[in-house]
Amino acid sequence: DAGITQSPRHKVTETGTPVTLRCHQTENHRYMYWYRQDPGHGLRLIHYSYGVKDTDKGEVSDGYSVSRSKTEDFLLTLESATSSQTSVYFCAISAISGAYNEQFFGPGTRLTVL
Amino acid sequence: KQEVTQIPAALSVPEGENLVLNCSFTDSAIYNLQWFRQDPGKGLTSLLLIQSSQREQTSGRLNASLDKSSGRSTLYIAASQPGDSATYLCAVETDKLIFGTGTRLQVFP
Repeated sequence: DAGITQSPRHKVTETGTPVTLRCHQTENHRYMYWYRQDPGHGLRLIHYSYGVKDTDKGEVSDGYSVSRSKTEDFLLTLESATSSQTSVYFCAISAISGAYNEQFFGPGTRLTVL
Repeated sequence: KQEVTQIPAALSVPEGENLVLNCSFTDSAIYNLQWFRQDPGKGLTSLLLIQSSQREQTSGRLNASLDKSSGRSTLYIAASQPGDSATYLCAVETDKLIFGTGTRLQVFP
């Protein structure tokens, strides 16, 4: 399982509430990613990190923020959750970028926004 | 804009068949292509990674090929088993990983 855990694994929340998802890795990998998976859209990149305090936006970053204060933790925050953010969220890690970028995924968090 | 397509969207075969899953992409400027397996309600498991300079990779009963110039990759599964039932995703690496929507495979006894 590449030493990746996500918490919580399931969450139900109401529109307008803040939500934070946590990704924790034990591999000390430099790169960490947050994706969302929706029917008909596949997996889409939200944000990624290339080191402590170094983050950048992905394809669908609106409404999300991230933080990485330690190598092992990457947090995804929905400041004010909306129903369109109901999805399954996956964290991934990789050691390097480019041709050798093999990504390994966590078990996912199923988020429902009512 | 890079787009990744997987055909067919779903496939049902009897146990023992050899089968091919297809993945196509629109921009050949990729670093690598990765095949994943996803079981229902689970995360993704990396199966094979083919770098852009490579033509194929093999792992057990799985063989993945890459033709970058034509924008195509295939995943060949030999002697399929019911335990192979899952969704198979391909993804290409540019400056980020772009995923196809997957092929849902069912292998029945």
